[in-house]
Parts: sequence; structure tokens; C-alpha cells
Amino acid sequence: QVQLVESGGGLVKPGESLRLSCAASGFTFRDYYMTWIRQAPGEGLEWVSFISTSGNDKIYADSVKGRFTISRDNDKKSLYLQMNSLTADDTAVYYCGRAIATGTWSSWGQGTLVTVSS
Amino acid sequence: QSALTQPRSVSGSPGQSVTISCTGTSTDVGAYKYVTWYQQHPGKAPKLMIYDVDKRPSGVPDRFSGSKSGNTASLTISGLQGEDEADYYCCSHAGSLGYVFGTGTKVTVL
Repeated sequence: QVQLVESGGGLVKPGESLRLSCAASGFTFRDYYMTWIRQAPGEGLEWVSFISTSGNDKIYADSVKGRFTISRDNDKKSLYLQMNSLTADDTAVYYCGRAIATGTWSSWGQGTLVTVSS
Repeated sequence: QSALTQPRSVSGSPGQSVTISCTGTSTDVGAYKYVTWYQQHPGKAPKLMIYDVDKRPSGVPDRFSGSKSGNTASLTISGLQGEDEADYYCCSHAGSLGYVFGTGTKVTVL
């Protein structure tokens, strides 16, 4: 069955960097668009970034543009999110998701918590 | 990218119907058929309930239905059941800006 497992979260200080990973299994990873979303504690969902099957097309939310970079390695069946210049506003659970159609994410990982605090 | 507007909460008794609205603009909800709805229970990942405005994935009960008129999409839960108590989020494609989620609605079963 489809499985997505995020990792790489943790506690970092403002201004520091972190790289999240999402390991995929149970489907042909290279055939699917992928996305990252996040949820701050007690808050709603926020879309973060999206990447095409080839990795050539990427879109970012304004709140992370210029600081976050999404990438993928189809041979390793993995999705990544490089997060730089982190601030307290980036504190959230980050989920990776698989798209089955435009804007339709049918599968999610369990999430990984990123905490930015001094 | 401003979040789509949803009511903070709605409630209903078992068996009743509730409708959640999701108001965007002519550049997101009003522009595309790509409106989705997600259900989220506390501490869990979101679950896809509706896609392409009104389509139901397999396994989602037919008491969940979606619609759209202009810049506002809606999710209706008919025959409300206890397990429907959760947070619900709409999401819309927003062209070159990517995607935007709604503010979220807590559904309470009385």
C-alpha cells in the first residue's frame, strides 16, 4: 500500500537550516507530483510547495519563497524540503503528500515536527 | 495568497445535514474546478474527502457531497454521524501561485 514517511524534523534556532525527507513506497514514485504542507500548533493547514514528476517544475508559497527548496530523487523514491533562514513562524508539523490529479493529494505521511526556538 | 474563508465551526445533531462554505476569489475558487476538501481528526494527517469540486474518492461515504457557485465552494454532510466530528479544510488551485487552503471548520456532532 502507499506509504509516505517523513523524517528530519527537530529543534533548531532562528536563522538555522533543516532538511526534511519523505521516503515513498508502495507506488511508482516517479509518476506522481508531490507536495509539502504544514500545520502550526493549534492552527490550520498551509500549503508550502509542489514539485512535478521530473522535478523541473516547482512552486512555493509566498511565505517560504526564497528560503525553502523542494527537490526529489526518483531513483531513491524520496522527496526533500531544504529549509533555510528558519523563523519561529516556520514551527509546524510538515506533511508530504502524493497527488493523484491537479491539487488532489490522496496520501499523506504521518508528519514531522519542526520547532524553531532560541 | 490569502487563506480561503470558512466558518470557524458548525454543528448538528446525528442524522441532520450541515454545510460548510469556502469563499475565495476569482483567481482561485472561482477560476478552477480544482477544489478539494479534507477531513482531519486530532493528531492525524488530513484525509481526502472531495476532489474536483464534487467528486468522491472510493471509500468516502456518499453522505459527503461538494458543490461550487462562483467564488464559493461548499461541502455538505448529510445524515451526520459521530465519526464525522473533525476539522474540515477546503483547498483550491490558484494558478501560478500554487494552492491555498481554507481557514478550517470544526464540525461538532451534538
